[in-house]
Amino acid sequence: GAVVSQHPSRVICKSGTSVKIECRSLDFQATTMFWYRQFPKQSLMLMATSNEGSKATYEQGVEKDKFLINHASLTLSTLTVTSAHPEDSSFYICSARPAGDSYEQYFGPGTRLTVT
Amino acid sequence: AQKVTQAQTEISVVEKEDVTLDCVYETRDTTYYLFWYKQPPSGELVFLIRRNSFDEQNEISGRYSWNFQKSTSSFNFTITASQVVDSAVYFCALSEARNTDKLIFGTGTRLQVFP
Repeated sequence: GAVVSQHPSRVICKSGTSVKIECRSLDFQATTMFWYRQFPKQSLMLMATSNEGSKATYEQGVEKDKFLINHASLTLSTLTVTSAHPEDSSFYICSARPAGDSYEQYFGPGTRLTVT
Repeated sequence: AQKVTQAQTEISVVEKEDVTLDCVYETRDTTYYLFWYKQPPSGELVFLIRRNSFDEQNEISGRYSWNFQKSTSSFNFTITASQVVDSAVYFCALSEARNTDKLIFGTGTRLQVFP
């Protein structure tokens, strides 16, 4: 149980375009989902926390207009990188917290974004 | 301020050796949670353990063991008789009870186990 999927697993896009990454909780409902970013050989940094049906809470330094997060249902959150630049190239990982749980986060397999 | 320090950037061992990965944390909260995750080359984070601040008992799970010492703010992870499949990046993480949404990760320790 507690499986989280991400799609796509890898994506290459050109500068200036937008790309959407999906995060789904497959066998549980997630009231809260999290988005992390990981640069090569570095740690995971929390970008934002999203609660179903409400606006995401972004960490300091993360541009809301650039990283659009939508959590429209209890099993799906999306991260859209708008007007992507090469410096946005990174590994994006989502996690999901089951409804009623205060501690656990189940992580997705990650999406590697390369902006050319 | 909350912080997790993993001073060992990379460790290399030969199969069957024991290896300990260090984790030191900082928090002002009295209630907090500590985690270890494994990130193999595929990238997916694998949950290994969660420990709350009131439970200082050491834990053993197969070849894995964890030593939690509040006196030194450490939560070290030992792999006994390491195997090549243990090669991965291991992250220690902290969350505080007042904001369990925020999981603070250390910088990770890359473990390479050679045959």
